[in-house]
Order: sequence, then structure tokens, then C-alpha cells
Amino acid sequence: LAKTTQPISMDSYEGQEVNITCSHNNIATNDYITWYQQFPSQGPRFIIQGYKTKVTNEVASLFIPADRKSSTLSLPRVSLSDTAVYYCLVGDMRSGGSQGNLIFGKGTKLSVKP
Amino acid sequence: DTGVSQDPRHKITKRGQNVTFRCDPISEHNRLYWYRQTLGQGPEFLTYFQNEAQLEKSRLLSDRFSAERPKGSFSTLEIQRTEQGDSAMYLCASIPSTTGYEQYFGPGTRLTVT
Repeated sequence: LAKTTQPISMDSYEGQEVNITCSHNNIATNDYITWYQQFPSQGPRFIIQGYKTKVTNEVASLFIPADRKSSTLSLPRVSLSDTAVYYCLVGDMRSGGSQGNLIFGKGTKLSVKP
Repeated sequence: DTGVSQDPRHKITKRGQNVTFRCDPISEHNRLYWYRQTLGQGPEFLTYFQNEAQLEKSRLLSDRFSAERPKGSFSTLEIQRTEQGDSAMYLCASIPSTTGYEQYFGPGTRLTVT
């Protein structure tokens, strides 16, 4: 199982770039890396997903080295509203694939201060 | 697109009682997942459906838990003879058949067993 390891917490200030790294040493060939954001009393919300190299969308970037044993979520110019828990999820999400190895881990609690 | 909905949002029950939760996925999303989340932890996979077929169940899903998705639309999760250890947030997520990767989560049902 591709277990993930993330820092428990991080602090930042408004306007700064935040990088959260996730380790997943046992990632399998068919596994994708997905990051979710969760606010208290809400379900997780998809941020970004990638397989290798770099992926960028309107809210974040995801950097994945060639060995795929880790990944880094980059949030540019964070604001107070980015205070949340961020989860790295590694697994094979293809239709019909085994989903039982979907492990979210404990996540990283990001606190953005003014 | 009204998002994934779950009902009820909160449920308080006494130990030994049965409870049932409902999840309405985004229409035409063919895959539906159930997760359980306890305080300070990430979501834990319980089971998933592709259309009406339940394809996989986690070892976490004891025989007191049962899930259905009749007609491949909404899903129900029933817990029989509830125990205090069942207290958690129960999350539902759905995935469209087109992308197959991004999970859309509902707001969850918070269960408290007294």
C-alpha cells in the first residue's frame, strides 16, 4: 500500500508561497497523486492531480520528481481563506481498479496568518 | 450541477440502534464512494460502487455495515447495532465516468453514538 507521509502542520503569512511535501515511497506504477483541501465540517475538495513532472492549474502547482517517491503541492500567494487541512492521496483511481488502497493519511494543517 | 448531497447532516443515536445515511451523487457520476473520517484523521475508504454494483469493501467494513446503490443512482449506508466507536463523519464522493479521477465529496453525515 502506498502510504503517505506529510508534515502535521505548517504556518505561513498572507501573500507567501507555500510548499507542502508528501512522501510516498511505495507508490505503484498505476498510482496517481491527488491533493485535496478540507475545511472543518466539510468534505474534501479536489485541488490538483498528477502522475509525473509538473502540473499547474488556476489554484496550485504540483511537482513530482522522476522517481515519484514524493510530491510537492505549491500554493502561490496564500490568503487567510487557504487555512485548511491538505491531504495527499496516492492510488489507482482508474475505473475498475482496486480502490481499497486509497489512503489519505493525516494531512497537513496549514495556518495562514495576516 | 447541484453537487453531492448527504442526508442527514447530523445524527445522534443511542448505542445499539440502527442508522441509515443517504448519499445523492452528482447525476451521471457512475462511481460512488463511502469514507469514514474520525477527528484528526484523513478519510478512510469503506466501499465503492460502479453503477449499482458494489465492487469493493474495506476490511474496516464489519458485518454491521451494509451499503446499497439501487438503480445506480443514490446510495445508502446502514449501520446496525451502533457502537460508540462508530462515531465519525461519514463522507460520500462520486466520480464522473469521463475523467475517472477527481472525487467530488459531499458535506458528510456526522454520527454521534451515545
